[in-house]
Amino acid sequence: EVQVVESGGGLVQPGGSLRLSCAASGFTFSNYWMHWVRQAPGKGLVWVSHINSDGSSTGYADSVKGRFTISRDNAKNTLYLQMNSLRAEDTAVYYCANLREDYWGQGTLVTVSS
Amino acid sequence: DIQMTQSPSSLSASVGDRVTITCRASQDIRNALGWYQQKPGKVPKRLIYVASSLQSGVPSRFSGSGSGTEFTLTISSLQPEDFATYYCLQHKSYPNTFGQGTKLEIK
Repeated sequence: EVQVVESGGGLVQPGGSLRLSCAASGFTFSNYWMHWVRQAPGKGLVWVSHINSDGSSTGYADSVKGRFTISRDNAKNTLYLQMNSLRAEDTAVYYCANLREDYWGQGTLVTVSS
Repeated sequence: DIQMTQSPSSLSASVGDRVTITCRASQDIRNALGWYQQKPGKVPKRLIYVASSLQSGVPSRFSGSGSGTEFTLTISSLQPEDFATYYCLQHKSYPNTFGQGTKLEIK
């Protein structure tokens, strides 16, 4: 059974940092590119970042470039998103996803507020 | 970056209606497009991949068409469980981009 489980969300002050984790199982994690997608409360889906299967190539939405860093540990079947210099507009549910196979986690809520 | 313009942003329809949602890409994305359904509080679910291929387990009343810059999602006969928000996603190039969404509501 495929499982994708995000963790690490929470309340953080503007300018702060947070690291999200995504534990995957039930598929060969190291074979797939992985993605982060976010959704602000009541708003649409926004693609945030991707990483290729061995971690050598990454990409970011313009809105997070220079502030967020995606990484992965294939030995641990885990994806990460390091989020720095957080802003109120980064408040959202963050989903980890294998878009090729349509495997999504349930999401983790990040709230940026003082 | 490729922009995806989705229309309409909202749509009221009745059970049994045929509905069409459109996504236009700002440049040629070949067939690198998927359609997703999201219900309130739920995770997005892909209905269509590579523009016109039906995801396994998705009812055949859903269909996708198009290539290049214009794409459509059609629901041939709306069922009560189809009332949801629908998104397109282009994956031709990075950054990947979603359409703004279409909220399908009961008339």
